[in-house]
Formats: sequence, structure tokens, C-alpha cells
Amino acid sequence: QVQLQESGPGLVKPSQTLSLTCSVSGGSIRSGSYYWSWIRQPAGKGLEWIGRMYSSGSTSYNPSLESRATISGDTSKNQFSLKVTAVTAADTAVYYCVREDNGGDWFDPWGQGTLVTVSS
Amino acid sequence: DIQMTQSPSSLSASVGDRVTITCRASQNIRRYLNWYQQKPGKAPKLLIYAVSTLQNGVPSRFSGTESGADFTLTINSLQPEDIATYYCQQSNITPWTFGQGTKVEIK
Repeated sequence: QVQLQESGPGLVKPSQTLSLTCSVSGGSIRSGSYYWSWIRQPAGKGLEWIGRMYSSGSTSYNPSLESRATISGDTSKNQFSLKVTAVTAADTAVYYCVREDNGGDWFDPWGQGTLVTVSS
Repeated sequence: DIQMTQSPSSLSASVGDRVTITCRASQNIRRYLNWYQQKPGKAPKLLIYAVSTLQNGVPSRFSGTESGADFTLTINSLQPEDIATYYCQQSNITPWTFGQGTKVEIK
């Protein structure tokens, strides 16, 4: 059973870079059957897809982040990561790493989520 | 981006009631429509994918259908453990987008 776990700083200063890592167990990020995605949710609000990576290293992002997001993978550690540059208070949210089906593009399973607060 | 509009935003129903949540896309998404359940303080959980296929382990009281441009999540016989916010998601065209959510409460 695949499990995902986010890790990273819970507090980031404005204008700095948010960095999160997702550790995957019970499955491999090299699997061609899936993408590996990040989704975020501001407190009390809805869900926003940030972007995804594929086993080949190819990536796709939500234009709403205006090229500030980068997703990459480390197959030796079976992890994938998210970086968001030039953060503002609007980037404060719970960040989830998720596995995305390659084909139907639904999300399952989800990590437990990690709260990142942008504040000085 | 494709806009997903859910209705209602919230509802209150009694245990045993049938509950219906609707999701409409701003353009044709074919059958690329998925439903998630998010309980308070928890990550969302996949309930239904491709309009009507139940994810493994999801109780059969949950069902999904489509009618024209509308997609519907139905909970037959609402149970106390179904208290949650439900989201639809389109996976036809990136960026993938979600509805704003429907909060289900017990009356």
C-alpha cells in the first residue's frame, strides 16, 4: 500500500523559497503508471493543483503560480520535491503530495499534508 | 481554466436521508470527473473516479452519475461518518481544477 509523507519547514519568510519533500513508501516514483503531484489548500478554502512530475522527469505546472513552482524527483531516495520561489502570504496553505493516475488523472492516495505559513 | 461549480455549498440532512451534490463544468470534460471526501483536519480521500467508478473500499451508498453537463454525487442513506466536505475535480484539461466544495452536516 503506497503511502506519502510530506516534510519541510512550517514557516517561511516572505520573498524566500518554500521547499517541501514527499517521501514515498510502498511504491516507486519510477513507476510509469503514475504522476507525482502537489496540491495545496489555504485554510478554510478549496484545493489548488500546483503541478506534477513523471518518472521520466517531465513536469507540468499550474500557470496560476506564474512559473514560481518547480517539482523534481530523487529516485535514489524515492522522494519528490516542491520548490516555490518568491513566496507571499497568499502561499500560506496546507500542502499535500499525492499520487496521480496516469490516464484518468485522479488523485490517490494523498499525504497527510503539511502546513506552511509565510510570515516574517 | 475549466471552472467547476458545485451546488449547494452546504447542506444539512438527517441520518438515513438521501443526499445529492451537483457539479457543473464550464466546458465539456467528457467523463473526466472525480469526487473526493475531506473530513475535518484530514487529507481528501478519493471516492469516485471517471464519473461513476467507486474507489476500492468506498461504501456502496455512494454513487456518481452524469446528466448532460451536470455530474452528481449521491449518498444513499446518510451516515454520521459521512460528515465531510465533498469536492469534484475535472481531469480533462490541465490545469486540473476542483469545485469549491460542499459541506455536509447532520441535522
